[in-house]
Amino acid sequence: GAVVSQHPSWVICKSGTSVKIECRSLDFQATTMFWYRQFPKQSLMLMATSNEGSKATYEQGVEKDKFLINHASLTLSTLTVTSAHPEDSSFYICSAGGGLAPETQYFGPGTRLLVL
Amino acid sequence: GDSVTQMEGPVTLSEEAFLTINCTYTATGYPSLFWYVQYPGEGLQLLLKATKADDKGSNKGFEATYRKETTSFHLEKGSVQVSDSAVYFCALVGRGGTSYGKLTFGQGTILTVHP
Repeated sequence: GAVVSQHPSWVICKSGTSVKIECRSLDFQATTMFWYRQFPKQSLMLMATSNEGSKATYEQGVEKDKFLINHASLTLSTLTVTSAHPEDSSFYICSAGGGLAPETQYFGPGTRLLVL
Repeated sequence: GDSVTQMEGPVTLSEEAFLTINCTYTATGYPSLFWYVQYPGEGLQLLLKATKADDKGSNKGFEATYRKETTSFHLEKGSVQVSDSAVYFCALVGRGGTSYGKLTFGQGTILTVHP
């Protein structure tokens, strides 16, 4: 099946710094990628949808200036958490869709972010 | 908006027991329905899906039937194994309005299977 990777798998940073998370589709071209946030023992919440070559569409309540998303190519999307604070600590998951089956998204393994 | 409600967990079973995890949904139009599984330390994996009413999705011994009349998509397995221990998410892809093409997840159900 399709493989989606994320890097890094976990990161610890100081409050006020920025962190970039990469999401790559390894064996298919993803016209659309999604970014989710998962709190402990809770469901995934969609943060934004990114389409290659255009601006991301953010869900209501998600600060677009804090969570910068770039989808520069058909195999790479990045999420940058700017000026991170402890409340941004979470598990961030990307998924890639389009191409193979528009309604089926393939998920990355997630990135755990801890902001001290 | 669209929503998915799952049976609350955690669910603890002995090996070879029968499993049911209930899932009901609210959506505009006729969504596609999914079950995803998340094993410890791994990303979500698609377990099975159904795209229209009365479709039955199946994989690895798991089954779920798209019931439009009861807006349900319950997950079942006749005989669970220890390796089935994971978190299971019911989800839908919306067909209407701002939900179109977006996955909406239930809260997840933790399953633990003991030998």
